[in-house]
Amino acid sequence: NAGVTQTPKFRVLKTGQSMTLLCAQDMNHEYMYWYRQDPGMGLRLIHYSVGEGTTAKGEVPDGYNVSRLKKQNFLLGLESAAPSQTSVYFCASSSARDRTLQETQYFGPGTRLLVL
Amino acid sequence: QKEVEQDPGPLSVPEGAIVSLNCTYSNSAFQYFMWYRQYSRKGPELLMYTYSSGNKEDGRFTAQVDKSSKYISLFIRDSQPSDSATYLCAMVVGGSNYKLTFGKGTLLTVNP
Repeated sequence: NAGVTQTPKFRVLKTGQSMTLLCAQDMNHEYMYWYRQDPGMGLRLIHYSVGEGTTAKGEVPDGYNVSRLKKQNFLLGLESAAPSQTSVYFCASSSARDRTLQETQYFGPGTRLLVL
Repeated sequence: QKEVEQDPGPLSVPEGAIVSLNCTYSNSAFQYFMWYRQYSRKGPELLMYTYSSGNKEDGRFTAQVDKSSKYISLFIRDSQPSDSATYLCAMVVGGSNYKLTFGKGTLLTVNP
């Protein structure tokens, strides 16, 4: 099993450009999450999904959109990138089957995004 | 006041030392507590999970929860250079709320 994979690993954007980050998991997990990690700020939840076709806002959703058309994929979109969105983005997934599994989030390796 | 407070360090110890990492929290509704370990340029991975007050041991690692004081700790015995990483505490309310609230992480370096 590959677990959680993220593409791309690194990207440089100019202000105003758009891009999509792809997250894929092969563990048949119901829940998926997008976080950003910034120095001194820790991990902050951007958006999450509890199942195919459903998404919800997290702590810092502004400037981002998401879609979950397939259970195994969770896409994070930046419509008009800003320097404040320079960060490391992590995707995670977890199972809905029981309490312990729900809280065990499996993280991808991250995408480093630099917005100039 | 942040819901979860964690000293970012950095913390530097010699090999073999006992390490204590701590988090405090303000939301008394938190029921489940976790420690994640994150190596440099990697994603976090779950290290310890507990849902009750008291201690839980796993090899050289002990997680401690004191709900009355809203305080959790992670102890590492006989620390090794391979333990050098950022340690993040995380907690969740429970029930239908499965969103984790993370501490900012403590950077630990274990020197050979």
